[in-house]
Amino acid sequence: GNSVTQMEGPVTLSEEAFLTINCTYTATGYPSLFWYVQYPGEGLQLLLKATKADDKGSNKGFEATYRKETTSFHLEKGSVQVSDSAVYFCALSDHRNAGKSTFGDGTTLTVKP
Amino acid sequence: GAGVSQSPSNKVTEKGKDVELRCDPISGHTALYWYRQSLGQGLEFLIYFQGNSAPDKSGLPSDRFSAERTGGSVSTLTIQRTQQEDSAVYLCASSPQPPTSGANVLTFGAGSRLTVL
Repeated sequence: GNSVTQMEGPVTLSEEAFLTINCTYTATGYPSLFWYVQYPGEGLQLLLKATKADDKGSNKGFEATYRKETTSFHLEKGSVQVSDSAVYFCALSDHRNAGKSTFGDGTTLTVKP
Repeated sequence: GAGVSQSPSNKVTEKGKDVELRCDPISGHTALYWYRQSLGQGLEFLIYFQGNSAPDKSGLPSDRFSAERTGGSVSTLTIQRTQQEDSAVYLCASSPQPPTSGANVLTFGAGSRLTVL
């Protein structure tokens, strides 16, 4: 079955530091890949997505590139802000199991001023 | 509505009692999903609705769990004879079309936090 493994947290960074949160996946088909973010007290919301190999998703300064050869979708941001403090979830869905998106365990990011 | 609404936001119950959790998806969204988020863990899929039917119930952990959706809109997740291990945040999500393409973007509610004493 499908699975998503993401970098364990928590991650604590200083403002303006570089962020990488690793995500790798296992899927039998050709999945679409997502990063969702959950800010304190709020529901999960889509941060970015990529639907095919070599696509780059980007939003709010965050980027992730769909790497089929390494089955990865690492999340990066060049300069984090305090407001980026949240829990980040990597996820996939594929057309054969598209009713059931598979999520990683989440990585908690805290950015200190 | 403007977003996915869930109620109650918090529920504390005694072991053995039944609970109902409600989800009101975004107007016009045909697909609705229930997930469970236990402390420090990822999201566990429970059930998926397309319209009023549930093509995938594979994630329901036991026969104490059931869900229905009426009128292609509001859904209720019912947990009978609650146990302490049922304590978690129950998340509802919706999406605007059948997830045939695989690129299925979910919009989540804020969740219902269930505590079973």
